[in-house]
Amino acid sequence: ETGVTQSPTHLIKTRGQQVTLRCSSQSGHNTVSWYQQALGQGPQFIFQYYREEENGRGNFPPRFSGLQFPNYSSELNVNALELDDSALYLCASSLIGTGDQETQYFGPGTRLLVL
Amino acid sequence: DAKTTQPPSMDCAEGRAANLPCNHSTISGNEYVYWYRQIHSQGPQYIIHGLKNNETNEMASLIITEDRKSSTLILPHATLRDTAVYYCIVRNRSARQLTFGSGTQLTVLP
Repeated sequence: ETGVTQSPTHLIKTRGQQVTLRCSSQSGHNTVSWYQQALGQGPQFIFQYYREEENGRGNFPPRFSGLQFPNYSSELNVNALELDDSALYLCASSLIGTGDQETQYFGPGTRLLVL
Repeated sequence: DAKTTQPPSMDCAEGRAANLPCNHSTISGNEYVYWYRQIHSQGPQYIIHGLKNNETNEMASLIITEDRKSSTLILPHATLRDTAVYYCIVRNRSARQLTFGSGTQLTVLP
């Protein structure tokens, strides 16, 4: 069984640029959720993708957007980067539709630094 | 989702049981208790979850009080590799997200 993978592991961007982060879900999973974790804080939910559609969103502006592909992998795009976007970005995959509350399994994260 | 209260930090001697408490006094009947841990700069790792009954797996045991207002995560024989931030999360069955609090920094001492 393949776990959740994310790329790249680290990234440095400058303010105003755009960034794309990638996530491959665990085999057999159909849902991807994205979280942002600032230094010293717990992860904050950005949004979830299921069946290639956004399936819930946290308190993040529209410049945070995403995609899910037919193979259930996902991208997180952030436009017009701000210094406060510097954080660890986490992807979690899960399986919706089993009749039980799905458990989310996290990847190792992408560390983004905005200068 | 119900809020949780955890102590900010705890120490445990290596080889001893680590008992991490969590209060969730406003939990409702359809909300589960989840535990994750996060070792420094890594992604959170799922540990265990439960609704009413006590649960055990290869990593830990989860003890939920009868009124469901609190729970305890037990690591039976803590090792140095168990040093991490432990998050107790209460989650509605239909909720999309996990809502993380501040967690408990567990330090296992040699």
